Amino acid sequence: NAGVTQTPKFQVLKTGQSMTLQCAQDMNHEYMSWYRQDPGMGLRLIHYSVGAGITDQGEVPNGYNVSRSTTEDFPLRLLSAAPSQTSVYFCASSRQGAKEKLFFGSGTQLSVL
Amino acid sequence: GQQVMQIPQYQHVQEGEDFTTYCNSSTTLSNIQWYKQRPGGHPVFLIQLVKSGEVKKQKRLTFQFGEAKKNSSLHITATQTTDVGTYFCAGPYMNNQGGKLIFGQGTELSVKP
Repeated sequence: NAGVTQTPKFQVLKTGQSMTLQCAQDMNHEYMSWYRQDPGMGLRLIHYSVGAGITDQGEVPNGYNVSRSTTEDFPLRLLSAAPSQTSVYFCASSRQGAKEKLFFGSGTQLSVL
Repeated sequence: GQQVMQIPQYQHVQEGEDFTTYCNSSTTLSNIQWYKQRPGGHPVFLIQLVKSGEVKKQKRLTFQFGEAKKNSSLHITATQTTDVGTYFCAGPYMNNQGGKLIFGQGTELSVKP
């Protein structure tokens, strides 16, 4: 049981490049979410999903897209990377929703130059 | 919008001293969750409080949920170097899309041996 798996662990992009951060969970969790962590800002919610085919915006959704075609996967897409998107990104899942405890992946450190 | 405020942002203590972090929500919560993130790691769930005025203990950690279900605290008695990390509170804000878990800014605890 791997839990929540994020890839890659580290990534460096140039401004304007696009990329996808991958997130997969093997716990059959319905709820998945993406957070970014910046010094002094805590964990800010980017997008979340309550099940396959359903996504919604969080606190800081601009510049990011998500989709949820399967229960297991919840990729995060950066369409045109900006230096302001330099951050640590965490994917997290829970069994059924925001009221239940989250299991976090190990994170992706992203630098945009 | 929904806000979760957490203070202090940093706390430096001598080993053996006590530590407390406080969490306040802009609205009433159905529950409050607490997470710990070790340096370089990912957030890990500690506990969830559901009832008004609830108090729960985990060894040297005491968690409280306010009577109005809008505030919470985490108190650590006689800190140890293993307590080092950032402590986050989080509250679920429910909507038609299943809700979102909003985190406070976190309190970073350092312990001097």
